[in-house]
Amino acid sequence: GESVGLHLPTLSVQEGDNSIINCAYSNSASDYFIWYKQESGKGPQFIIDIRSNMDKRQGQRVTVLLNKTVKHLSLQIAATQPGDSAVYFCAENRGAGSYQLTFGKGTKLSVIP
Amino acid sequence: DAGVTQSPTHLIKTRGQHVTLRCSPISGHKSVSWYQQVLGQGPQFIFQYYEKEERGRGNFPDRFSARQFPNYSSELNVNALLLGDSALYLCASSLEGVRQPQHFGDGTRLSIL
Repeated sequence: GESVGLHLPTLSVQEGDNSIINCAYSNSASDYFIWYKQESGKGPQFIIDIRSNMDKRQGQRVTVLLNKTVKHLSLQIAATQPGDSAVYFCAENRGAGSYQLTFGKGTKLSVIP
Repeated sequence: DAGVTQSPTHLIKTRGQHVTLRCSPISGHKSVSWYQQVLGQGPQFIFQYYEKEERGRGNFPDRFSARQFPNYSSELNVNALLLGDSALYLCASSLEGVRQPQHFGDGTRLSIL
């Protein structure tokens, strides 16, 4: 079964506000995590990744936080824009010797203009 | 630069038929992975290939097979199609493996009648 899951299936935010999308994982061997954005009719688009030797990583308008103690991952989007509306997935790799990414079910982010 | 390209974009087959899906990775990428995405769910891992060798296989029946060519492109083959094989089939490429950012194509939408 899947070990990566999301707390909220849907999230609605006002344009300009910050968004936080959460993800829980259960496999303590997981040491590489990726966030993807998937728009309707398209494949997942890479947003940002983080390895387990880091707690935080920042990109353009996005920040990923990793809490290994509670096995929790979050994606923060600053100044959310209508173009950010999509389904967001977190995915994990379960350490050396694992050749796959395990995805959660996704969170749908809707931005209200 | 061209991203991951997949063909065909859409395909309709009947039960019992065979299908071949194709993927061209990003130039310079040697690793290709295949995923199946059923509507409303996250992608499920099928295969990972690196340097023409299968490195990983997900929990899919032997009706599913794949190969990678010397130019790093890849094919996914599915025999004896079932209604449950209807899904979006995604190909992802990365420089060397799954513990690096994997970039997805827009997939092949396979419908089984």
